[in-house]
Amino acid sequence: DAKTTQPNSMESNEEEPVHLPCNHSTISGTDYIHWYRQLPSQGPEYVIHGLTSNVNNRMASLAIAEDRKSSTLILHRATLRDAAVYYCILTYNNNDMRFGAGTRLTVKP
Amino acid sequence: ETGVTQTPRHLVMGMTNKKSLKCEQHLGHNAMYWYKQSAKKPLELMFVYNFKEQTENNSVPSRFSPECPNSSHLFLHLHTLQPEDSALYLCASSQGWVVSSYEQYFGPGTRLTVT
Repeated sequence: DAKTTQPNSMESNEEEPVHLPCNHSTISGTDYIHWYRQLPSQGPEYVIHGLTSNVNNRMASLAIAEDRKSSTLILHRATLRDAAVYYCILTYNNNDMRFGAGTRLTVKP
Repeated sequence: ETGVTQTPRHLVMGMTNKKSLKCEQHLGHNAMYWYKQSAKKPLELMFVYNFKEQTENNSVPSRFSPECPNSSHLFLHLHTLQPEDSALYLCASSQGWVVSSYEQYFGPGTRLTVT
């Protein structure tokens, strides 16, 4: 099954953009790339997902490499409320999401 | 508030007890999920229900027994658990059951401690 690799932790300053990388070199052609985040003491929260093209929504942007072996979640202006663990997930067999350890994002005021 | 509620939020039980976790979604979704989040392991999918029918069981031990009486409610019945079953149990729902296509909405979880 496809796996993802993310840095354990990243730091950002408030109101600056944040680029969270994810490597998924064994991705298959039908795997979607999903991003969720988990704030302290809460369940995970959907952020964005895509297949091949870059995607934008009110929370973030998702940039997918042309070969789909990596992707980047972009928070355009980080706020203190964006401090969370961010998970990059590939779907598996269309009916399973395999969460990894994620990236813990710290936002400094 | 995600539209998915879970009760209780905290539960302490002995290894010989029987207890149940409850999940309710107010979103009109058709698929519901149970996940387990242990302290030292990534989030693990346990069960998937679509229109009340179980479509996925990820090799979960039989001491965990799910029940889905309708599309809005999901239960996880627990009996003769082990201390290593202590974890955060999360419920989620989505409009459809094909996880690649639909975003999932998670509840706040039930923190379970088995003594």
